Amino acid sequence: GDSVTQMEGPVTLSEEAFLTINCTYTATGYPSLFWYVQYPGEGLQLLLKATKADDKGSNKGFEATYRKETTSFHLEKGSVQVSDSAVYFCALSLNQAGTALIFGKGTTLSVSS
Amino acid sequence: DAGVIQSPRHEVTEMGQEVTLRCKPISGHNSLFWYRQTMMRGLELLIYFNNNVPIDDSGMPEDRFSAKMPNASFSTLKIQPSEPRDSAVYFCASSHSGTSGYNEQFFGPGTRLTVL
Repeated sequence: GDSVTQMEGPVTLSEEAFLTINCTYTATGYPSLFWYVQYPGEGLQLLLKATKADDKGSNKGFEATYRKETTSFHLEKGSVQVSDSAVYFCALSLNQAGTALIFGKGTTLSVSS
Repeated sequence: DAGVIQSPRHEVTEMGQEVTLRCKPISGHNSLFWYRQTMMRGLELLIYFNNNVPIDDSGMPEDRFSAKMPNASFSTLKIQPSEPRDSAVYFCASSHSGTSGYNEQFFGPGTRLTVL
């Protein structure tokens, strides 16, 4: 079935380190892909998205490229900050009206100064 | 835009009591989702509605859980009777589900439920 697999955390980094959080997916057809972020005590919010192969989503210094050949959508940031500490969720949409997103289990990122 | 509104933000109750969580989706959105988040199980989709009609309730854990959406601007998730293992953060999300199927979801702040 359709699914999203993300690397398990927690990921612990020092400020200004490079971040990669891996995400791969299994889906029929051509899904849209998303990264959501959840800061402590808050709901999930959309970080970035890509709707077709080779698209690059970017926001707040984060980037992810939709790779159809490797069915991946890895999240990267060149220099993390303490304020980036949060839980990151990869998700896909099957692009069928009225269907739910399929989320990965989430990866906790902790950045120390 | 006020975003997705959930109430209450925190609920503490005793085992056996009825709990009702409320959600007001973003105006104009036609899909609504209820999620549960725990440390052990992560984020779980409980049920979702499209145009006020329940589409998939396979995530509802058992008959103690029920959800309704009487109109486009209001939904409830009810647990009766509640049990300690129901303690979790419950999120509501909404989206505009058009013919393109691109379903960006907007989440509410969540209701933290503690069942003693």
